[in-house]
Amino acid sequence: DAGVIQSPRHEVTEMGQEVTLRCKPISGHNSLFWYRQTMMRGLELLIYFNNNVPIDDSGMPEDRFSAKMPNASFSTLKIQPSEPRDSAVYFCASSLGTSGGAGDTQYFGPGTRLTVL
Amino acid sequence: KQEVTQIPAALSVPEGENLVLNCSFTDSAIYNLQWFRQDPGKGLTSLLLIQSSQREQTSGRLNASLDKSSGRSTLYIAASQPGDSATYLCAVSGSNYKLTFGKGTLLTVNP
Repeated sequence: DAGVIQSPRHEVTEMGQEVTLRCKPISGHNSLFWYRQTMMRGLELLIYFNNNVPIDDSGMPEDRFSAKMPNASFSTLKIQPSEPRDSAVYFCASSLGTSGGAGDTQYFGPGTRLTVL
Repeated sequence: KQEVTQIPAALSVPEGENLVLNCSFTDSAIYNLQWFRQDPGKGLTSLLLIQSSQREQTSGRLNASLDKSSGRSTLYIAASQPGDSATYLCAVSGSNYKLTFGKGTLLTVNP
């Protein structure tokens, strides 16, 4: 298996622009997670999907952030409008999704490094 | 709110040395604990997962222990190699699936 695939790997944009990050989870995995990593705050969970349904989006920082999972093999994280403080590495992870995902190993993608100027 | 602390923040050792990385968490009601490795510019790779009912897990030169009641875990690396150089992250999961991460220990193994 190719593992979790994320695109783009790097994104540089200007403040106010819309940014869309993409993720393809491992085939057969039912849980998908979006994380953000910064030096100051470390890794933070933004949103969690199970069977394509958003279960918990309490980590989404504000209304500028939205995430969708239209099918089992694709998810997007959108920021509109983007701000410099959104600069971070965004990771997507997937797991089998048994036990509601709590007991499963999460497999991480390589991340998207976002820079907002 | 669960908080995870990792000590030390950075560690530099000569090749061949055995070493221990520490992780502590504030809420002992965890479902499991995982240790991850992160290489620069890369994603996270899961190393070991310890269920709350377990005391330790081993994989090759790695051994992770869990003392849930005291809120502590250690990752022991035997006979360290330069290829072990990376950031090691500890994360705990509650029954609500959420992983709470520590900020990691940056390990450098010098040849």
